[in-house]
Amino acid sequence: SAVISQKPSRDICQRGTSLTIQCQVDSQVTMMFWYRQQPGQSLTLIATANQGSEATYESGFVIDKFPISRPNLTFSTLTVSNMSPEDSSIYLCSVNLFSYRLGEQYFGPGTRLTVT
Amino acid sequence: DAKTTQPTSMDCAEGRAANLPCNHSTISGNEYVYWYRQIHSQGPQYIIHGLKNNETNEMASLIITEDRKSSTLILPHATLRDTAVYYCIVPGNMLTFGGGTRLMVKP
Repeated sequence: SAVISQKPSRDICQRGTSLTIQCQVDSQVTMMFWYRQQPGQSLTLIATANQGSEATYESGFVIDKFPISRPNLTFSTLTVSNMSPEDSSIYLCSVNLFSYRLGEQYFGPGTRLTVT
Repeated sequence: DAKTTQPTSMDCAEGRAANLPCNHSTISGNEYVYWYRQIHSQGPQYIIHGLKNNETNEMASLIITEDRKSSTLILPHATLRDTAVYYCIVPGNMLTFGGGTRLMVKP
């Protein structure tokens, strides 16, 4: 398994501002993922972030709104830009340790974002 | 991704076995079934996965029917800490989380 930490654990932000969420892994991994979990809902994949390449975004998510960095094999950031109350969610990162077992992912504790 | 169907909620008495069913009738021959759980206010936790044979680890057992169209996750001796939402997933090129089953373990 992997130990994943996220910062901040929670934040309250004003609309129109941006927040950068950090994800740190205790081992080197190729594939990292960012998810969003809106209140009372299940998880939705935002993007896949592989080191050395541009992030791949899922339908409904765009780079201008959710820019992602992946500077090395243990770290990634997700920025939520120009926030609105609809962005209030839990944001989670996850990693995949084995490329041949893509379904086995390990998740961070999440960042609970409230936009006022 | 093959679609999965799970009951919305289930109750289980503490110390008893919790049997969580999942239907995945459109699964293809080389697709695995994965189970995760999400305890309140935490990130999802990988539990177990299987292809066609039954699997067991320190957390749970996974029983997959011979036709692979359904599976059951078994928590042999449920505790209060097992109260969570349990997700059955057949991933394609990504994990797609459905609604899951909300398991409530009661004293």
